[in-house]
Amino acid sequence: GENVEQHPSTLSVQEGDSAVIKCTYSDSASNYFPWYKQELGKGPQLIIDIRSNVGEKKDQRIAVTLNKTAKHFSLHITETQPEDSAVYFCAATTSSSNTGKLIFGQGTTLQVKP
Amino acid sequence: DTEVTQTPKHLVMGMTNKKSLKCEQHMGHRAMYWYKQKAKKPPELMFVYSYEKLSINESVPSRFSPECPNSSLLNLHLHALQPEDSALYLCASSLLGGPYEQYFGPGTRLTVT
Repeated sequence: GENVEQHPSTLSVQEGDSAVIKCTYSDSASNYFPWYKQELGKGPQLIIDIRSNVGEKKDQRIAVTLNKTAKHFSLHITETQPEDSAVYFCAATTSSSNTGKLIFGQGTTLQVKP
Repeated sequence: DTEVTQTPKHLVMGMTNKKSLKCEQHMGHRAMYWYKQKAKKPPELMFVYSYEKLSINESVPSRFSPECPNSSLLNLHLHALQPEDSALYLCASSLLGGPYEQYFGPGTRLTVT
C-alpha cells in the first residue's frame, strides 16, 4: 500500500543552524505534499506545502523541495530558533486524491538548543 | 482566519458512557475530517465528510459515530469505548472535497477509564 517514510526520527541542532528533514513516498500518483508542525499539546499546523508541478517553494526561513523522479521531498529550516522545536510531519496524497486522504510520515522531533 | 475549534479540550469517560466531541469551522470549508492520534505517532484518518456527506470511513468500529449537521459543524459520538481508544482526537477541514490544505483544530484529549 501507499507509504511515506520520514527521516530522521529525531534531530538536534544549535540555534542558528539549519535543519533538514527528508521524506520518501511510494505512490507515483501523489500530487500534493504538505508539512505540519505540531507543538506539545496542540494540533498539527500546516507550515508549507508543495504541489507536484513545482520543484521548490520558500516561505521566509522554511523551504520545501520536491524530486518527483526520486519520489522524495525535503523540509529545510534555516536560522533555527528555539521556537522551531516541535514534531514535524510530512504527508503525501494517495492516488485517490479526490477523496481527501493524506498519508503521514512517522514524524521528526526537532530540538533547537539555545 | 484558519481556525478550527474543538470542544471539549479534555474528556474522561467510562466504558459505559456516551459522549460527543464537537468541531466547528467558519472558513466556508466543505470537507471535514476526524483523525485519531496516539502519543508520538502521526494522525490516523477516521472519517471524511465532503459537502456534508460521509465520503470515507476508514473501517472505524461502530462505537464511533460521526455526524455532520451542517457545513460548519462536525460531531463524533462515542459509546462503549475501550481503554485503547484513549488518544487525541483531531478535527480538520479543507476548502473543497480534496485533501489539499487541511487545517487542524487543537484536538480533544480523550481518556477512557
